[in-house]
Amino acid sequence: QKEVEQNSGPLSVPEGAIASLNCTYSDRGSQSFFWYRQYSGKSPELIMFIYSNGDKEDGRFTAQLNKASQYVSLLIRDSQPSDSATYLCAVKGAGSYQLTFGKGTKLSVIP
Amino acid sequence: GAVVSQHPSRVICKSGTSVKIECRSLDFQATTMFWYRQFPKQSLMLMATSNEGSKATYEQGVEKDKFLINHASLTLSTLTVTSAHPEDSSFYICSARRSGGVYNEQFFGPGTRLTVL
Repeated sequence: QKEVEQNSGPLSVPEGAIASLNCTYSDRGSQSFFWYRQYSGKSPELIMFIYSNGDKEDGRFTAQLNKASQYVSLLIRDSQPSDSATYLCAVKGAGSYQLTFGKGTKLSVIP
Repeated sequence: GAVVSQHPSRVICKSGTSVKIECRSLDFQATTMFWYRQFPKQSLMLMATSNEGSKATYEQGVEKDKFLINHASLTLSTLTVTSAHPEDSSFYICSARRSGGVYNEQFFGPGTRLTVL
């Protein structure tokens, strides 16, 4: 059973701070890792994906991957109230197009 | 970016009727589309994987005769909820995998909120 674990939160950070979202996965053969943002009542929106160990930066977002520890994270710098949403971690295993989603971490950025 | 549309965005129907939901990739071809269901305050649950020109693959516990999926072209997949009941009320979301995409990223449609009375 492939599992993706996330802290459900809520994670509250003040405006302008760095928000750190974490995710662990069970399948060592996992190849690609995705972060989606989902606003309440809306469908998920792809923010970033990463497939190599290390960091990948895109604007205020940085994804970090450590395959040895089976750990992927998302950092949001200069957090804004508009970043308040649920963040879903998704993992693609080997030999499949399917993504396994975590339950999501609810982020609240306090003005 | 890749755009996926869904229609209708919201539907209310009587118990026992059937509802069809369309999922279209607007600016790319999608060999594979996925159908998810999400109940309030819960995570996405994959219902089935839809491959163009072949039968859909259903997840365990999902009734294939109740949730009919057709993926007739590289840009269109449909989900029909047959003989809907109140317990089928949920947020149904499709996603499309871009053909030829290296990292297999999925792009989601805006979702369809189904309410069965």
